Amino acid sequence: ETGVTQSPTHLIKTRGQQVTLRCSSQSGHNTVSWYQQALGQGPQFIFQYYREEENGRGNFPPRFSGLQFPNYSSELNVNALELDDSALYLCASSPNMGASADEQYFGPGTRLTVT
Amino acid sequence: DQQVKQNSPSLSVQEGRISILNCDYTNSMFDYFLWYKKYPAEGPTFLISISSIKDKNEDGRFTVFLNKSAKHLSLHIVPSQPGDSAVYFCAASFFRGGNQFYFGTGTSLTVIP
Repeated sequence: ETGVTQSPTHLIKTRGQQVTLRCSSQSGHNTVSWYQQALGQGPQFIFQYYREEENGRGNFPPRFSGLQFPNYSSELNVNALELDDSALYLCASSPNMGASADEQYFGPGTRLTVT
Repeated sequence: DQQVKQNSPSLSVQEGRISILNCDYTNSMFDYFLWYKKYPAEGPTFLISISSIKDKNEDGRFTVFLNKSAKHLSLHIVPSQPGDSAVYFCAASFFRGGNQFYFGTGTSLTVIP
């Protein structure tokens, strides 16, 4: 039990739609990272938020955006969904920016299917 | 471009024997390496890490070896236990506090009782 929760567990959307995925970080963690894990692949870094500001982005287009709130919750928004966006989306929280990996805790993920 | 690679999608080992999971990387600027363990329906869990200034790090039954010249790292589990059955990901970052980890594709380990 990492204390990091994600909702929903599963989601089915149609190509072109928009989706919002939610993450509740461990209490006191002011940094959250989002990852996309396609089938048969390892997680790929989307972006990180620190104190409600984006702090680093991987190789993902602007239609992937995020929000972080003062209550340690965060959102990943994806616009204009494409079939290739089908994946497991993981969030990971850590106590501060620059924390080492052993202080980063992953949630169980949201499985998104785009049809 | 896959900068971290795990070429063995699966591995089966008898309980009590050694499990060796391998990982290769291409970017010589990576400075910090990690192994994660993932059970079904759970997120990855940090297992063990190693800095590029070391060639070995040990934590109980788990040892990670780093060969920088070969750009290769491995995870040894001795002795293997059925509870070790999971998917193992290796990952790398440019420094210890880096926010971007590059993951391999994972190796599914099955420990047979």
